[in-house]
Amino acid sequence: DAMVIQNPRYQVTQFGKPVTLSCSQTLNHNVMYWYQQKSSQAPKLLFHYYDKDFNNEADTPDNFQSRRPNTSFCFLDIRSPGLGDAAMYLCATTPGGRMTDTQYFGPGTRLTVL
Amino acid sequence: AQSVTQLGSHVSVSEGALVLLRCNYSSSVPPYLFWYVQYPNQGLQLLLKYTSAATLVKGINGFEAEFKKSETSFHLTKPSAHMSDAAEYFCAVSEPGTYKYIFGTGTRLKVLA
Repeated sequence: DAMVIQNPRYQVTQFGKPVTLSCSQTLNHNVMYWYQQKSSQAPKLLFHYYDKDFNNEADTPDNFQSRRPNTSFCFLDIRSPGLGDAAMYLCATTPGGRMTDTQYFGPGTRLTVL
Repeated sequence: AQSVTQLGSHVSVSEGALVLLRCNYSSSVPPYLFWYVQYPNQGLQLLLKYTSAATLVKGINGFEAEFKKSETSFHLTKPSAHMSDAAEYFCAVSEPGTYKYIFGTGTRLKVLA
């Protein structure tokens, strides 16, 4: 009963070669999030959507872009990956609207940059 | 601004011993607090959350946490550690007026046989 699905689970790319990570959800939640998590660190929010309303964090590099074509899907595009972008990328969702909402996380995509 | 602080980036306990993971918060408004667990190469999973309904919150896998306003704390406990509890634990608080959550830096729990 997967609720938040991330593909692929492992992604290897070359320095500077664009890569796209995908996230889909079966929960019909309004809010979708992308986090970057480096080893032994807290997840760092990159951006989030409330429905189609996009919210970028001030310190998210321009190299990172996102698309949400419909409620179920959200994509993370890294235009020119650098070695410092190697990390686990987590997608999460919430229903939206209440501060008590639980975040539902996908299993993550581990990105390796060669 | 909301924030959470997790004291102790690494905690080791013996199997069967009490687990205590600490979280202190800073908030200008009544906070809503969460504990998540992350197993290696997995996403985060909710253990429990404080929504102001009750100060003692019971979660999954035998964990519980007590909200103490006077101490600005929301520590996570489990009476008896199991090997399967070895994981990373994150405390988080929701940020008012946004859909965002502020995470602590995490505590890695090691359970010794």
